[in-house]
Amino acid sequence: AQSVTQLDSQVPVFEEAPVELRCNYSSSVSVYLFWYVQYPNQGLQLLLKYLSGSTLVESINGFEAEFNKSQTSFHLRKPSVHISDTAEYFCAVRGPGTALIFGKGTTLSVSS
Amino acid sequence: KAGVTQTPRYLIKTRGQQVTLSCSPISGHRSVSWYQQTPGQGLQFLFEYFSETQRNKGNFPGRFSGRQFSNSRSEMNVSTLELGDSALYLCASSFDIQSMNTEAFFGQGTRLTVV
Repeated sequence: AQSVTQLDSQVPVFEEAPVELRCNYSSSVSVYLFWYVQYPNQGLQLLLKYLSGSTLVESINGFEAEFNKSQTSFHLRKPSVHISDTAEYFCAVRGPGTALIFGKGTTLSVSS
Repeated sequence: KAGVTQTPRYLIKTRGQQVTLSCSPISGHRSVSWYQQTPGQGLQFLFEYFSETQRNKGNFPGRFSGRQFSNSRSEMNVSTLELGDSALYLCASSFDIQSMNTEAFFGQGTRLTVV
């Protein structure tokens, strides 16, 4: 079975500062990794996913995540955040024949 | 293309009652998954259906059940409601579950309050 641990429940940052949201996973088989974002009063949206190949994955809005197999991590980063990035972020993992399993989420609060 | 539709959006029920939530997936999607979202617990997986068959099940008591119809629409039912069942219930649809990289599209959820 797979599991996901998001190491920070809340991350407060100032606008234009860099941010890292940490995610570790556990699995005995190869998995695919995802980051989803949930803006207030909305459903979840896919932010980016790692399938194979390059360990650095980028999204269209400036976020990137790096897959590290030896550390079983998939941390999400952004070099400069905006107020509009305030949201809850979920790391998720899917293994062969299994459902998409989520971490408990990290609330990113960006203030000016 | 219409997104995932969940009805109702909000629901208030009394302890001991039962409730049925509905989810209409994106047209052409054959897989529907259900999650319970509560503060501090994140999204907990309930069950996953594909072509009317339950393919995966989470660690929830038997009071939680679901089904999928031939048109891929899905319902979940919670019987003998408890206060702890108060949560946002999210439905996600996918084209299939054969590929691990298939993207899940989420509805806006049904907010269930048990009083």
